Amino acid sequence: GENVEQHPSTLSVQEGDSAVIKCTYSDSASNYFPWYKQELGKRPQLIIDIRSNVGEKKDQRIAVTLNKTAKHFSLHITETQPEDSAVYFCAAADFGNEKLTFGTGTRLTIIP
Amino acid sequence: EPEVTQTPSHQVTQMGQEVILRCVPISNHLYFYWYRQILGQKVEFLVSFYNNEISEKSEIFDDQFSVERPDGSNFTLKIRSTKLEDSAMYFCASSEARANTEAFFGQGTRLTVV
Repeated sequence: GENVEQHPSTLSVQEGDSAVIKCTYSDSASNYFPWYKQELGKRPQLIIDIRSNVGEKKDQRIAVTLNKTAKHFSLHITETQPEDSAVYFCAAADFGNEKLTFGTGTRLTIIP
Repeated sequence: EPEVTQTPSHQVTQMGQEVILRCVPISNHLYFYWYRQILGQKVEFLVSFYNNEISEKSEIFDDQFSVERPDGSNFTLKIRSTKLEDSAMYFCASSEARANTEAFFGQGTRLTVV
């Protein structure tokens, strides 16, 4: 089955700087890669996703890149703000199965 | 904006008791899921449900677990005889299509088994 690795597990960044979180996946059939943000005690919320027919996607300060050959994808947050502090999870899925496989999460702390 | 809603938000139960966690998925969604998250760990898939039957389940989803869509709106997860290790946050999710489309999560039910 699919296995998703995520690094780093914790990340502290000065406000205004950029943050990068990286994930690798094992199943070459995976074709959908969402990123979820989870604030303390709250539900995971989708912030951006990318499909395997695209190499990069951007939404304001958030971007995701995908390298299918290397089987890794990354989340980039620019101009970080205190409200970006949360746990971020990457995930992978393919059309052949019904589940999202999540990474282990990155706790991002923005230092004012 | 439509939301997935879950009840209760917190459930405390004694070991060996049965619990039912309830979810109301987004109304036009066809795929329903249960995930769980043990405190401080990653979100883990339990089961997916489509067309009134289980379409996929994980090894965590053993005979103690069952799911049901008793009417047109509710989706439930039953744990028959709870164990201490069942303590976790349980998230319901729904999506319009299969897992490679956006899944919307409920706010979760924190289950504490004592």
